[in-house]
Amino acid sequence: AQSVTQLDSQVPVFEEAPVELRCNYSSSVSVYLFWYVQYPNQGLQLLLKYLSGSTLVKGINGFEAEFNKSQTSFHLRKPSVHISDTAEYFCAGINTGTASKLTFGTGTRLQVTL
Amino acid sequence: DGGITQSPKYLFRKEGQNVTLSCEQNLNHDAMYWYRQDPGQGLRLIYYSQIVNDFQKGDIAEGYSVSREKKESFPLTVTSAQKNPTAFYLCASSMDTTQYFGPGTRLTVL
Repeated sequence: AQSVTQLDSQVPVFEEAPVELRCNYSSSVSVYLFWYVQYPNQGLQLLLKYLSGSTLVKGINGFEAEFNKSQTSFHLRKPSVHISDTAEYFCAGINTGTASKLTFGTGTRLQVTL
Repeated sequence: DGGITQSPKYLFRKEGQNVTLSCEQNLNHDAMYWYRQDPGQGLRLIYYSQIVNDFQKGDIAEGYSVSREKKESFPLTVTSAQKNPTAFYLCASSMDTTQYFGPGTRLTVL
């Protein structure tokens, strides 16, 4: 992907509420897309990925994302969040050609409160 | 237990000193990567290696050096030429298009 944009730097939400974290990409070719989660002072953990096939992708911890080619989006959703979901979330994309590099968005801080 | 290890977790360095960050993986992955993370920014690629004894510069390679003598190891040296080295450094590896990350090393220059 030439670029990956996460429009929301912070998303506050109450526990048990639904949440959507937005991600848009730009690319002139087909892409693979990923969502990662990062807890404080830790590495990135893969939540889910879209490579091909069904546009609705289910990941760990109850998260899912939908690949929308016409809107060049890959938004992350969870129907009911928990306090433990508080973390930084990164969207990333890579062109499907060889020798291509992973491009990251700037991240969205999800803050879940009671 | 398979995974990626980085050491040390925290590292302090005086200005003008070189320092080497360790990254080891036992996943049998061919490719390895080094990223730098600064507050409010995404990850930026420093160097990557797709095979032993070969590596390429990423987007911000100036002031850094790497080696890839073994498949499982990809150490990163932060040299004195790096003007602003204080950051969180993340190592990753992959077999195909999916990258898996280590726990990171936080480097602070005093």
